[in-house]
Amino acid sequence: GEDVEQSLFLSVREGDSSVINCTYTDSSSTYLYWYKQEPGAGLQLLTYIFSNMDMKQDQRLTVLLNKKDKHLSLRIADTQTGDSAIYFCAESRGYQKVTFGIGTKLQVIP
Amino acid sequence: DADVTQTPRNRITKTGKRIMLECSQTKGHDRMYWYRQDPGLGLRLIYYSFDVKDINKGEISDGYSVSRQAQAKFSLSLESAIPNQTALYFCATSEGQQETQYFGPGTRLLVL
Repeated sequence: GEDVEQSLFLSVREGDSSVINCTYTDSSSTYLYWYKQEPGAGLQLLTYIFSNMDMKQDQRLTVLLNKKDKHLSLRIADTQTGDSAIYFCAESRGYQKVTFGIGTKLQVIP
Repeated sequence: DADVTQTPRNRITKTGKRIMLECSQTKGHDRMYWYRQDPGLGLRLIYYSFDVKDINKGEISDGYSVSRQAQAKFSLSLESAIPNQTALYFCATSEGQQETQYFGPGTRLLVL
């Protein structure tokens, strides 16, 4: 079955870049996502990438996809204290349910 | 106004009680989902519905049931609550091939 793995915790200093990594097992994954969960709130989509792309950039966010290794990463440039949250990696084949990772808690140290 | 709302936001109940968590959406999406979130376990799918007449079990459906009363409403019931159902419950909707999910604010449930 589908499986999405990510590390539990990442700590960075304010102003540095953060890189959150994720691996997945389903080679049929069509869409890969990054969601952000702030304290006391539901998940909110940050960005997604289609499987035929290897990179997507949106302001401070860069998503890299290595389809051969089934590896997805999210880079946040110039990390701010407001970026402190839990980040979820997820995958879907499209028109089907989404499988989420366990979430990586990003702590930004001022 | 929020597009996906959940009631109640917090609930304390006792073992053996039946409770219902409700979800409403104004996004006009056909697909709706119930998840639970536990520390260290991430988000796990309980039930999902791709339209009003479609109900599917997720990975952890035991002890839960759902009802899709209308396109806009999807409720989750715990027939006889037990302490290990203490968790944060999220409702979500989605649309399109890319399955972008829109989450409600969550219901925090404590079963004593």
